[in-house]
Amino acid sequence: NAGVMQNPRHLVRRRGQEARLRCSPMKGHSHVYWYRQLPEEGLKFMVYLQKENIIDESGMPKERFSAEFPKEGPSILRIQQVVRGDSAAYFCASSPRGTQEVEQYFGPGTRLTVT
Amino acid sequence: GDSVTQMEGPVTLSEEACLTINCTYTATGYPSLFWYVQYPGEGLQLLLKATKADDKGSNKGFEATYRKETTSFHLEKGSVQVSDSAVYFCALSAAGNNRKLIWGLGTSLAVNP
Repeated sequence: NAGVMQNPRHLVRRRGQEARLRCSPMKGHSHVYWYRQLPEEGLKFMVYLQKENIIDESGMPKERFSAEFPKEGPSILRIQQVVRGDSAAYFCASSPRGTQEVEQYFGPGTRLTVT
Repeated sequence: GDSVTQMEGPVTLSEEACLTINCTYTATGYPSLFWYVQYPGEGLQLLLKATKADDKGSNKGFEATYRKETTSFHLEKGSVQVSDSAVYFCALSAAGNNRKLIWGLGTSLAVNP
């Protein structure tokens, strides 16, 4: 059973460009979470999605960031007009159920560098 | 709101030394508690978990006990190896927070031969 897949692993964007990060959850998992790890900081929750629904986006910056998890295909985290402060590692996690005792399985992350 | 506090690192130990990484939490209700490990350049892997008071999670020689009375979930290992060098994260998940994980800042561990 393949784990959580994220691509690209490394992404370099110039200021003002768009970044699109993809996450394919584990087979049978319909719950996806995105987290951001800024340099020298811990992980911060960004958004929680189920298929075709955003359940909780309380950790998403109000502007330039959006996420989706369509019926078919991977979950996408989109950052428009990137700025240097967006440079971070972005991790996707999936779980089979949205209950608190179930662990989340993490992908390898996408390391975004904004130049 | 809910929060997790971990002891600050870095922690440097010699091989076969004992390890304790402290973790305390603040949460309403009864959260589930987790330890994740991040090896250099990699993603996060679940190390162990506990879902109710007095539960003990264990894996790869690591242990942590869910102590509700002290709101703690300290990570312990009796004899560390060089291969245990990594960053360790304590986290909680609570129904009131849509099951998202709330994280500590991480503790970096370096084990020298």
